[in-house]
Amino acid sequence: AQSVTQPDIHITVSEGASLELRCNYSYGATPYLFWYVQSPGQGLQLLLKYFSGDTLVQGIKGFEAEFKRSQSSFNLRKPSVHWSDAAEYFCAVVSTGNQFYFGTGTSLTVIP
Amino acid sequence: GAVVSQHPSRVICKSGTSVKIECRSLDFQATTMFWYRQFPKQSLMLMATSNEGSKATYEQGVEKDKFLINHASLTLSTLTVTSAHPEDSSFYICSALGLAGGAREQYFGPGTRLTVT
Repeated sequence: AQSVTQPDIHITVSEGASLELRCNYSYGATPYLFWYVQSPGQGLQLLLKYFSGDTLVQGIKGFEAEFKRSQSSFNLRKPSVHWSDAAEYFCAVVSTGNQFYFGTGTSLTVIP
Repeated sequence: GAVVSQHPSRVICKSGTSVKIECRSLDFQATTMFWYRQFPKQSLMLMATSNEGSKATYEQGVEKDKFLINHASLTLSTLTVTSAHPEDSSFYICSALGLAGGAREQYFGPGTRLTVT
């Protein structure tokens, strides 16, 4: 069965510091993977996605993610965090039936 | 880009009444839409898959008679919460399945905050 694990419930980083949010998935075939960001009371905004090809994916707002099949991971990174990046981040894998399986999310706090 | 809207963005209703939430794909046709529910500080929980012209498929544990889904056109799906109770208060998000670069992708609406008093 498909599943997504985000091991870190909450992360706090200083503004300007680097960020890595972890995501591990369980899926039998080649996965379609996504990272979304959600600000309080808002819907989901797509940061980036991986379907195939280059395993390092560039997204919006300076985010990138690397697909590592051997580790079943799709970690999200940003070299320098801005205060506006504080939000909830969700990793998701989509099945062949087009259903999304979301991780439990990681809440990011940015301190000045 | 593909845009999905939801209406209303916020609704407050009294216990026992019904509330309808609309989900529209604005610039593309969506044969499949999804409805999610999100509790505070939690992830999205898939409630049902809505296919145009056919009955929705509900996830296990979701009451289909309470959460009525209608997907009457290729751009509109509605979720009606019938006889709402305070425990139905939640953030409801829809998404529409579209094509992006040859691959299917879900486009999410901004969500509807339902408060039942």
